[in-house]
Amino acid sequence: DVKVTQSSRYLVKRTGEKVFLECVQDMDHENMFWYRQDPGLGLRLIYFSYDVKMKEKGDIPEGYSVSREKKERFSLILESASTNQTSMYLCASTTDSQETQYFGPGTRLLVL
Amino acid sequence: AQSVTQPDIHITVSEGASLELRCNYSYGATPYLFWYVQSPGQGLQLLLKYFSGDTLVQGIKGFEAEFKRSQSSFNLRKPSVHWSDAAEYFCAVGQSYNTDKLIFGTGTRLQVFP
Repeated sequence: DVKVTQSSRYLVKRTGEKVFLECVQDMDHENMFWYRQDPGLGLRLIYFSYDVKMKEKGDIPEGYSVSREKKERFSLILESASTNQTSMYLCASTTDSQETQYFGPGTRLLVL
Repeated sequence: AQSVTQPDIHITVSEGASLELRCNYSYGATPYLFWYVQSPGQGLQLLLKYFSGDTLVQGIKGFEAEFKRSQSSFNLRKPSVHWSDAAEYFCAVGQSYNTDKLIFGTGTRLQVFP
């Protein structure tokens, strides 16, 4: 079974802190994604990556950056956390187009 | 631009009753369509997907969905709901040449009464 793991299920940070959210997949998938999920808004794509060291902006990249140094790991970085970044963050991976995206369990981030 | 509409925010059904969750999409070409389910505290799991061929698609857990091009719809159905089906359901659309970028609907929360 494909497994996508996220480093934390719950995280509490203060405004202005630098926050790292880690995602690891164990199926050698090329593509990885970061979404945020908010009530009434569904899932919105923040960033995605087709390969190591490659990244592309999604629909809401402002205030975020990403890092993909190894194929299995995709990190989401909040350079200076703000309260409006309080949300559920979901990581996903897939082999290529037309294939299922496999999701991690999510990280619920609270920024105070 | 692509978009997905799930008009029902919250649906409540009795266990054993039939279920239909609505999904409408906006996309010029042939879309690739997905239904995902999110149980409480969990990530999303794929229920089924449509790329081409038979417009009635069978998925896991007894779910099915029908692609109707004329109505721009991809509604999810189940003939008899179980209490364990209580969850949030998301419809998503991908571009026919690149499904890496999916557009998700806002979700429908299903509540099941015994």
